[in-house]
Amino acid sequence: EDQVTQSPEALRLQEGESSSLNCSYTVSGLRGLFWYRQDPGKGPEFLFTLYSAGEEKEKERLKATLTKKESFLHITAPKPEDSATYLCAVRFNQAGTALIFGKGTTLSVSS
Amino acid sequence: DSGVTQTPKHLITATGQRVTLRCSPRSGDLSVYWYQQSLDQGLQFLIQYYNGEERAKGNILERFSAQQFPDLHSELNLSSLELGDSALYFCASTGSDSAYEQYFGPGTRLTVT
Repeated sequence: EDQVTQSPEALRLQEGESSSLNCSYTVSGLRGLFWYRQDPGKGPEFLFTLYSAGEEKEKERLKATLTKKESFLHITAPKPEDSATYLCAVRFNQAGTALIFGKGTTLSVSS
Repeated sequence: DSGVTQTPKHLITATGQRVTLRCSPRSGDLSVYWYQQSLDQGLQFLIQYYNGEERAKGNILERFSAQQFPDLHSELNLSSLELGDSALYFCASTGSDSAYEQYFGPGTRLTVT
């Protein structure tokens, strides 16, 4: 059973069409939930860390929220340059300092 | 640019061979993590070093090993390579165990033929 599940696997949006990406997790003892952006053939780029339910973080057109068992990455009025794979990862007690990643959501924004 | 560097960018080798991947963490970071990314498995944690000492192990095969040197750069050694070892290998660094955000390098793409 996957500990971190992201949905949808792929998402196509028109420029300006807002939407949300979901990350659900089954682990207990969460020490942090992380969002990364990854462009093809590149390393993941850190976006946000969320630590507790109810927490929200924003950066430009992106807003990340956290509940007890899932996180959402809201993309408001996306632009083509937002096209990338968005990865969610968790750090939890049993895994120590390692990050456990979901398989990602690939976002394509067309103009 | 995260400040983490990895060499080489690309590596093509044959089955049964051995390769070494190199990572330099961000200036001042003591902790280095290695991850493998394949199409079907996603990003998988392999191993962590902190200030020269092995700190944690994940899904790392016995054919793989790593070390961190006094100048804090790290090397991942992959031996007896198989076709299935073809993947992107990333390293990431943090300042300490209490620093949660990991900053990733650009990766090394390994192709085993």
